[in-house]
This record gives sequence, structure tokens and C-alpha cells, in this order.
Amino acid sequence: DQQVKQNSPSLSVQEGRISILNCDYTNSMFDYFLWYKKYPAEGPTFLISISSIKDKNEDGRFTVFLNKSAKHLSLHIVPSQPGDSAVYFCASGGSNYKLTFGKGTLLTVNP
Amino acid sequence: DTAVSQTPKYLVTQMGNDKSIKCEQNLGHDTMYWYKQDSKKFLKIMFSYNNKELIINETVPNRFSPKSPDKAHLNLHINSLELGDSAVYFCASSQGVSSYNEQFFGPGTRLTVL
Repeated sequence: DQQVKQNSPSLSVQEGRISILNCDYTNSMFDYFLWYKKYPAEGPTFLISISSIKDKNEDGRFTVFLNKSAKHLSLHIVPSQPGDSAVYFCASGGSNYKLTFGKGTLLTVNP
Repeated sequence: DTAVSQTPKYLVTQMGNDKSIKCEQNLGHDTMYWYKQDSKKFLKIMFSYNNKELIINETVPNRFSPKSPDKAHLNLHINSLELGDSAVYFCASSQGVSSYNEQFFGPGTRLTVL
């Protein structure tokens, strides 16, 4: 039962262009959404989050958009840099204390 | 300074053996977690402890037993290892139990059961 889905296992973009990573969720009780970034042989690190009372949150080159009616969120990275190449995990949380993660999307930014 | 550390980083063992993975955090957090990332790449919560008390216990076989001797440590002991236990196990910590709090992850322990 995949409550958080990242349907694109990989994405390749050119340096300087925009990267858009997508995530869908099914549980309407989720009210907090996060993106984590993971490099090989390291643990995930927190990148950006958004509460369900907002539809957009921005932090430098990273912006997360939330569409509650569609149960969809996306992470925009602009401009993309080679150092952004990593696996990006979408995660959702609610009042039951635990985070539910997607399978991740491997982003490759080509110089 | 490593915030969340795990030992060992790699663990290769035979089916039926018992093994432990250790986790330590120096962030002063009161909540620690164990996650499993299997071959399908999902990161799934297994256990969570807050102030040494178990607060999340997902549907995990009884062969897995977490132990938290103090707030800074959460170890995972696995009995009678099976092939399906092969995965990467991540420890994490946060301040507070809420899923709204940022979790800090260790580098992972890759367990291979032969």
C-alpha cells in the first residue's frame, strides 16, 4: 500500500535548467510534507518542507508546491547544478508521529 | 563531528545468525528511529523511541528487537537472520516525537544475509 508515490525513478536535466520532481500521496490525513536528499553511501538529509496550510514554500533554489485537491506535491530546483545530483525522497507526515516515504527519484544534473 | 553514527557500515552474515547494529546521536535529541530500505527502495519506519520509551512499533517480526540504553543510543538486534532481512538500515533522530520535526539520519548499515 503505497501511500506516497514517486512515479519517476529517474530524471536527467542539463545544468542551469529547472528540475521538477513529483510526488503523489493518497492519505488525506497527511498534513506535512518534506523532501529529503540522499547522496550515495550517506543517509538522507532534510531539504525543504511544507505544511498543508500553504501551497508554496521557497528556500533559495528550492521551491516546493502543494496541490491538496490533487494530493500532489512537486519540488522545483532552479537553476539545477551538478551537485544537486542525488536521490530525492518525498515524505509525508501527520498526527500519527511517523513519516511515510516514497521510493525516491534519482536526479542527474549534467554539466 | 558525526551527528548520527551507525556501526558497522557493512555487515555480511549467514542465515540463522544473530547480529546487532548500533546507533548513537550527539545532537541531544530525545527521539530515535530505525528505518529499513529494502530492494524496492522504500524507506520504511520500523521503530521509534522517545526518551528510551518505545512509541512506534510497526509490523516487524519479533526477531527484531530494539534497545535504547539511553536517549543517545538506539541499537537494533536481529535474531535468526533470514535472506529477506538483507537491506540498508538507517538510524535517525529528532527533537520531539512529532513527524513535523526534522529527522537526522545516519549513513546506514548495509546488511547482507547469505
